[in-house]
Amino acid sequence: VQLVESGGGVVQPGGSLRLSCAASGFNFSSYGMHWVRQAPGKGLEWLAFIQSDEKNKFYADSVKGRLTISRDDSKNTLFLQMSSLTAEDTGVYFCVKDMPVLDYWGQGALVTVSS
Amino acid sequence: ETVMTQSPATLSVSPGERVTLSCRASQSVNNNVAWYQHKPGQAPRLLIYAASTGATGIPARFSGSGSGTEFTLTINSLQSEDFAVYYCQHNNGWPWTFGQGTRVEIK
Repeated sequence: VQLVESGGGVVQPGGSLRLSCAASGFNFSSYGMHWVRQAPGKGLEWLAFIQSDEKNKFYADSVKGRLTISRDDSKNTLFLQMSSLTAEDTGVYFCVKDMPVLDYWGQGALVTVSS
Repeated sequence: ETVMTQSPATLSVSPGERVTLSCRASQSVNNNVAWYQHKPGQAPRLLIYAASTGATGIPARFSGSGSGTEFTLTINSLQSEDFAVYYCQHNNGWPWTFGQGTRVEIK
């Protein structure tokens, strides 16, 4: 199993960013997927989940309405669209496979929200 | 939202000692709790799921117990590679939440 996040970088407050996660080594379309983040000096925060058939999506209350999880099974890729970003969104964002617990993690993508 | 509270925040331990980490849920989460190990600069690693089931490849010195609202992760004979931050997390309905973590440091 390999999960590789990309799309991180520096974005201004109020801006938007889309993270991608390329998955390999397992049947991507058969598994739900999550995003989890870690702010600097803080603990892990679960953000969002998408079911294998996209029938259900769930979000943490703290990000509901600003983050959108999606997937493209034809490309084995998971996405996280982030908007109205603030400094509190700065952190490392992890793509995680569902087992249904968080069994395989990517190395993370760093997002910095700063002017 | 179910709040997961871990204690203590930090444990100072010598190699070879036995360590017990606690996690309390604000409401019953049945046995739907997992434990993760996280080292700086690395991806977190799943240790235990369903409160007491060891994940694939996890050494037998790691064990979990509990149900309802009280959970424990025990590490027998702590090894040098076990110094890390440990998180509990529930998957008993949405949203999932993590505890704030317990740092296990060298004494």
